[in-house]
Amino acid sequence: GEDVEQSLFLSVREGDSSVINCTYTDSSSTYLYWYKQEPGAGLQLLTYIFSNMDMKQDQRLTVLLNKKDKHLSLRIADTQTGDSAIYFCAETPGGKLIFGQGTELSVKP
Amino acid sequence: DTEVTQTPKHLVMGMTNKKSLKCEQHMGHRAMYWYKQKAKKPPELMFVYSYEKLSINESVPSRFSPECPNSSLLNLHLHALQPEDSALYLCASSQVGGWGRSRRELFFGEGSRLTVL
Repeated sequence: GEDVEQSLFLSVREGDSSVINCTYTDSSSTYLYWYKQEPGAGLQLLTYIFSNMDMKQDQRLTVLLNKKDKHLSLRIADTQTGDSAIYFCAETPGGKLIFGQGTELSVKP
Repeated sequence: DTEVTQTPKHLVMGMTNKKSLKCEQHMGHRAMYWYKQKAKKPPELMFVYSYEKLSINESVPSRFSPECPNSSLLNLHLHALQPEDSALYLCASSQVGGWGRSRRELFFGEGSRLTVL
């Protein structure tokens, strides 16, 4: 089947904004998710968006959803070195949580 | 307590060994999951248990055998594995509910890193 697509790498300077993009496949997913995985750790839910919304803001995080294009993005404002991690978007086709390929965010001081 | 605890953290086994991975949660979650993750890749769903019954098996080879002895515990029994099975095995738990009706947050453990020689 089709893969949920993400750019593999993103490098930013501390204090800049980061934008991580995702193209998902399942138009019936009611919720779409962003998970964060730090080195050597499991995954942690970062934020989510309900499919009838086009934007959600949660402190430094802004999620944008374009259902027509099946495009999801995560913006991290004032990116810090502690934000360095792999970020996965995820959709929920048929009762399963399916992850995108992951974007490795590197934050340089 | 929002933790999912996995043991062991690291496991090295030969292709003829039998071993088990264990997962425990005390959040009252009735859905539990096994995912497999290769380096720099996304987690891939293996099994889902709902109310202690296997509800999803993603065509996983029979050398992986899951078990859910009670609502807090999930095991993954390993036998006759191949070197390509070396990976990080992640356990997760969540509330049960239709994906279409509710937001279902998965809580992940830190994983068991398996090396098959």
